[in-house]
Amino acid sequence: QSALTQPASVSGSPGQSITISCTGTSSDVGSYNLVSWYQQHPGKAPKLMIYEGSKRPSGVSNRFSGSKSGNTASLTISGLQAEDEADYYCCSYAGNLYVFGTGTKVTVL
Amino acid sequence: QITLKESGPTLVKPTQTLTLTCTFSGFSLSTSGVGVGWIRQPPGKALEWLALIYWNDDKRYSPSLKSRLTITKDTSKNQVVLTMTNMDPVDTATYYCAHIEVVAATPDYWGQGTLVTVSS
Repeated sequence: QSALTQPASVSGSPGQSITISCTGTSSDVGSYNLVSWYQQHPGKAPKLMIYEGSKRPSGVSNRFSGSKSGNTASLTISGLQAEDEADYYCCSYAGNLYVFGTGTKVTVL
Repeated sequence: QITLKESGPTLVKPTQTLTLTCTFSGFSLSTSGVGVGWIRQPPGKALEWLALIYWNDDKRYSPSLKSRLTITKDTSKNQVVLTMTNMDPVDTATYYCAHIEVVAATPDYWGQGTLVTVSS
């Protein structure tokens, strides 16, 4: 099972919107609407931001949204804030197991 | 409130077997629809799925590591144990355990992680 492909880095200015892509295959992202997204600050455990492709857990800002088209899932952060600077990982159910993305570093300029 | 905490050695020698324990509270691994998974992250690198165990004792392993991994649960102690044989320096990583909501197929609650270094 190969890792899902994410851009290595994405940047934006405060207040802007950015989108992180997560490309898999018809065996994972394309087959299931079961993609989750995680935010990870340095030295911290990942935090769930989106699950089942587009749902937000309680307490997560509505500035975070998720979507999917074909084999690619996306995470959009609107109204970018300094605290959003972190690493982001996607994760997809793949039938027998789960597969993570390669990770994206988000920089707030 | 769901919490998980990983424990185990911080340093292991090459070829040794690593045993990690995930102790959790706030849920029972005998409840239908619940699982616990293990994930690792080498320093500066991405997350990697290792294994998971479901409430019904069904187990899943990363295909690339399957021959080296064993996952078990002790429902009475609220613990899940992961063993990894034949450790190598490339296995140096922070190891996390996570609660899995099976219906949503989502690792939603994570432990703080434990750093394991493989070195002679």
